[in-house]
Amino acid sequence: AQTVTQSQPEMSVQEAETVTLSCTYDTSENNYYLFWYKQPPSRQMILVIRQEAYKQQNATENRFSVNFQKAAKSFSLKISDSQLGDTAMYFCAFPFQGAQKLVFGQGTRLTINP
Amino acid sequence: DAGVIQSPRHEVTEMGQEVTLRCKPISGHNSLFWYRQTMMRGLELLIYFNNNVPIDDSGMPEDRFSAKMPNASFSTLKIQPSEPRDSAVYFCASSFRWHEQYFGPGTRLTVT
Repeated sequence: AQTVTQSQPEMSVQEAETVTLSCTYDTSENNYYLFWYKQPPSRQMILVIRQEAYKQQNATENRFSVNFQKAAKSFSLKISDSQLGDTAMYFCAFPFQGAQKLVFGQGTRLTINP
Repeated sequence: DAGVIQSPRHEVTEMGQEVTLRCKPISGHNSLFWYRQTMMRGLELLIYFNNNVPIDDSGMPEDRFSAKMPNASFSTLKIQPSEPRDSAVYFCASSFRWHEQYFGPGTRLTVT
């Protein structure tokens, strides 16, 4: 079975702090992609970052970076210098059995406090 | 590009009525996905199309749900008859590169 687990239902940090959201997954695939999506109160699902499993280098997009540990099947998202606009639900997603359909984690509700 | 377009943004209907949700994918994308999001079940994939052909509809909850993609720029998700438990946010997403999906703004459906 392929599953995606986000163990932190809610997190809260002060503006400008760094926060790390965790995600673990289970798969027998060797080559795959992993994604983090953000869903702010507007409910729009926004792609934040993508990691390709065959790349050893961790993906980075401005203040967002990942810590990808393939052997441990861990894919955490780090947000540096957090901003109020980062307040949102964050979902980790993984393709099911190598197909195009994505399986999403349960989500982590992140609140950035002023 | 305008992104994925969904209409309507909000729909309120009475139980038993037919509901049609519409989606226009990003131009050039060849895959289209319909999701449903609820508090209880999270984000669920209902069906997806590749080059206008339905590939996997195993997530469609019942025969009351149907989806079509008559061409590369348009898809519909229909619920007939609608029930209160169908109340949810329905998202359409499209992709071109393998696995990277872009979502529309969603349709919030309320069935009373």
